[in-house]
Amino acid sequence: AQSVTQLGSHVSVSEGALVLLRCNYSSSVPPYLFWYVQYPNQGLQLLLKYTSAATLVKGINGFEAEFKKSETSFHLTKPSAHMSDAAEYFCAVKLKAAGNKLTFGGGTRVLVKP
Amino acid sequence: GAVVSQHPSRVICKSGTSVKIECRSLDFQATTMFWYRQFPKQSLMLMATSNEGSKATYEQGVEKDKFLINHASLTLSTLTVTSAHPEDSSFYICSARPGPEGNTEAFFGQGTRLTVV
Repeated sequence: AQSVTQLGSHVSVSEGALVLLRCNYSSSVPPYLFWYVQYPNQGLQLLLKYTSAATLVKGINGFEAEFKKSETSFHLTKPSAHMSDAAEYFCAVKLKAAGNKLTFGGGTRVLVKP
Repeated sequence: GAVVSQHPSRVICKSGTSVKIECRSLDFQATTMFWYRQFPKQSLMLMATSNEGSKATYEQGVEKDKFLINHASLTLSTLTVTSAHPEDSSFYICSARPGPEGNTEAFFGQGTRLTVV
């Protein structure tokens, strides 16, 4: 079975500081991996995805993530946080063997301090 | 990216009534649509997978007679919460996928906040 774990339900960063959100997956084969952002009372917006091409994936809004098979991780980073980055972030995994259904991590809420 | 529209964005209904939520893909045909439920401060939980022209596949623990899903066209899926009760109050989100499988990206609607009073 596939699963995804996000370490830390809340992260607080200062404006301009590095943002690091951790995501680890559990799967016998490398899955497709996604990061989504959710603003209050809204749906999810895709930040980036890994689909077995380049291991370093660049997304929108200055975010990037690196797939590390040896660590079964797909951590999300942004070099310099902006106030508009305050939101909920979800890591998700998808496996063909699991019917291509997205399984979401528990989410990490990011607070950006001025 | 592609646009998925969900309507209504908010709805308040009385206990015992039914509520219909629509999910439309505006600029692509969606062979598959998904319905999720999200409780406050929690993650999204998949309720069911809807394929155009066939019956929806419900996840374990989801009552199919309570959460009726219809995917009558390639651009529209509906979720009807029947005989709603306060415990059904939640944020419901749909997503639509244009392709069959693999790394095809699914696009999300903006969600519907259901409050049952």
